[in-house]
Amino acid sequence: GDSVTQMEGPVTLSEEAFLTINCTYTATGYPSLFWYVQYPGEGLQLLLKATKADDKGSNKGFEATYRKETTSFHLEKGSVQVSDSAVYFCALSDWTGNQFYFGTGTSLTVIP
Amino acid sequence: GAVVSQHPSWVICKSGTSVKIECRSLDFQATTMFWYRQFPKQSLMLMATSNEGSKATYEQGVEKDKFLINHASLTLSTLTVTSAHPEDSSFYICSASEAARDNQPQHFGDGTRLSIL
Repeated sequence: GDSVTQMEGPVTLSEEAFLTINCTYTATGYPSLFWYVQYPGEGLQLLLKATKADDKGSNKGFEATYRKETTSFHLEKGSVQVSDSAVYFCALSDWTGNQFYFGTGTSLTVIP
Repeated sequence: GAVVSQHPSWVICKSGTSVKIECRSLDFQATTMFWYRQFPKQSLMLMATSNEGSKATYEQGVEKDKFLINHASLTLSTLTVTSAHPEDSSFYICSASEAARDNQPQHFGDGTRLSIL
């Protein structure tokens, strides 16, 4: 069945460092891919999405490109800030749009 | 943008009590809503898919008599934890996507922290 494999954390970076959180997926058909962010004590928020191959989602300096050839959707940010400290979830919506699969989440801590 | 409101945000109650959690889509219609449970330091676990006007679809291992789901309208789904016990303590999150639109992201409520004493 469909699934998402996400890089394990926790990840600790210094402010202004480059961030990559790896995410790969297994799916039939043409899924949509998402990154969600969960700040401490809050619910999940959609960070970015991509609905077809080669699409690049971007928001708040974060980017991820839907790579069908490598079945990946890695999250990147060129210069992280302390305020980016959160848990990041990679997710997949199957081709029907009725089923969601989440990665295990990656905790990011950015230190000044 | 699409907003999902979840209520209450935090509830503490005695063992044996039944607790109802509401999930509302405020500015869009949602034929399908999802209920998740999050254990500490773990990812969300899908509990059930709530379908407006019909019975919910439960994931394997989730007791449907324990977690009652009602989706009476296009903007409201409720999850009732019946006869709650300490092991039911968790963070419950609902989500919804706009009806009749393909590949729409899920919009999440802020979650309900349930603590059973």
